[in-house]
Amino acid sequence: AQSVTQLDSHVSVSEGTPVLLRCNYSSSYSPSLFWYVQHPNKGLQLLLKYTSAATLVKGINGFEAEFKKSETSFHLTKPSAHMSDAAEYFCVVREGGGNKLTFGTGTQLKVEL
Amino acid sequence: SAVISQKPSRDICQRGTSLTIQCQVDSQVTMMFWYRQQPGQSLTLIATANQGSEATYESGFVIDKFPISRPNLTFSTLTVSNMSPEDSSIYLCSVDKGGSAEAFFGQGTRLTVV
Repeated sequence: AQSVTQLDSHVSVSEGTPVLLRCNYSSSYSPSLFWYVQHPNKGLQLLLKYTSAATLVKGINGFEAEFKKSETSFHLTKPSAHMSDAAEYFCVVREGGGNKLTFGTGTQLKVEL
Repeated sequence: SAVISQKPSRDICQRGTSLTIQCQVDSQVTMMFWYRQQPGQSLTLIATANQGSEATYESGFVIDKFPISRPNLTFSTLTVSNMSPEDSSIYLCSVDKGGSAEAFFGQGTRLTVV
């Protein structure tokens, strides 16, 4: 069975400072892992995905995530936050070869001046 | 990639009535998915709709409450039946090839039941 835990429901950072959104997963088989962003009243957009290639994955808008199998983690980072990064972020897991996506509970990122 | 159009984008409905949500994709896809996002919550899968077969419902969701149609490879509908205020949510349509592929989502239908 697959599951995903987002450790922080809310994260607040100042503009220009680093962002860290934490995600731990559980999967019986080699997982695919995704980070999606949801801006207010907008659809879900893929930030990046891990699919058993490079463990450090670079995504859009300067975000990246590192897959750490030993820690079962897939934390999302960005060196410098921008006001436009304020949104809800979802960590998502899918077991290898499967169809079903399992969403984390989401992390609301707030960026302050 | 896939572009998904969902209608309506929002609606306010009376309890006891039904609402049908439409999902149109710009390319042929085998698998389509319907999710619910309750206020302040994450996404929960309602059902998987494959063309030519009955939809497969997740635990806690039943066909009588959420009937789904999948008449062809580019279109699906989800009906929320006999609505109550607890059905107030965002309903999202998604297409997905499974495995390591990216899932694409519609803009969602924001439903309020009064």
